[in-house]
Amino acid sequence: DGGITQSPKYLFRKEGQNVTLSCEQNLNHDAMYWYRQDPGQGLRLIYYSQIVNDFQKGDIAEGYSVSREKKESFPLTVTSAQKNPTAFYLCASSGGTGGRNEQFFGPGTRLTVL
Amino acid sequence: AQSVTQLDSHVSVSEGTPVLLRCNYSSSYSPSLFWYVQHPNKGLQLLLKYTSAATLVKGINGFEAEFKKSETSFHLTKPSAHMSDAAEYFCVVTPSGFQKLVFGTGTRLLVSP
Repeated sequence: DGGITQSPKYLFRKEGQNVTLSCEQNLNHDAMYWYRQDPGQGLRLIYYSQIVNDFQKGDIAEGYSVSREKKESFPLTVTSAQKNPTAFYLCASSGGTGGRNEQFFGPGTRLTVL
Repeated sequence: AQSVTQLDSHVSVSEGTPVLLRCNYSSSYSPSLFWYVQHPNKGLQLLLKYTSAATLVKGINGFEAEFKKSETSFHLTKPSAHMSDAAEYFCVVTPSGFQKLVFGTGTRLLVSP
């Protein structure tokens, strides 16, 4: 099956810890994205990558970091600098970065800070 | 700047009755528009998209949307609601040529028997 996988489904973090969320796709897509979703709000873009070894900040990149060493993988690290990390995190990919290319989403990771 | 306004945070319908979810957009460019659906604790699934072809767009599961430039609207409709349609729906805009999606705040559709 082609698609996007995210792991883990649920993640608990103590304050002051860094955690890494995994995102893998086998759709052979060049572009990948990370979004954050909070209750009652739309999705907000954290980081995106148009090609391997390249990525750009989105609207709320502070306290997050990413890497894109392989085409199929785009892990997100939530650092201790992120002041309010409890949220639902969604990874997406698209075949191109033009506006007409729909994005395909993974099932999400729910992060809770204890 | 691009923006999307979903006019209702919640819509309640009875099974078998029509569904109307409203979306207005603002864009300086000729936009692409999407509707996505999200079931609880799941990722988003594309319902349909408009990319400057036919203004009436048909999607999956019997949904359709009409692009009305004069009204800057892209409302989502379905003739007859099913229980399985209960979910959150997001209207999304992106100007042609750019990769950034701008999401509305979502409309939660409740379907009662």
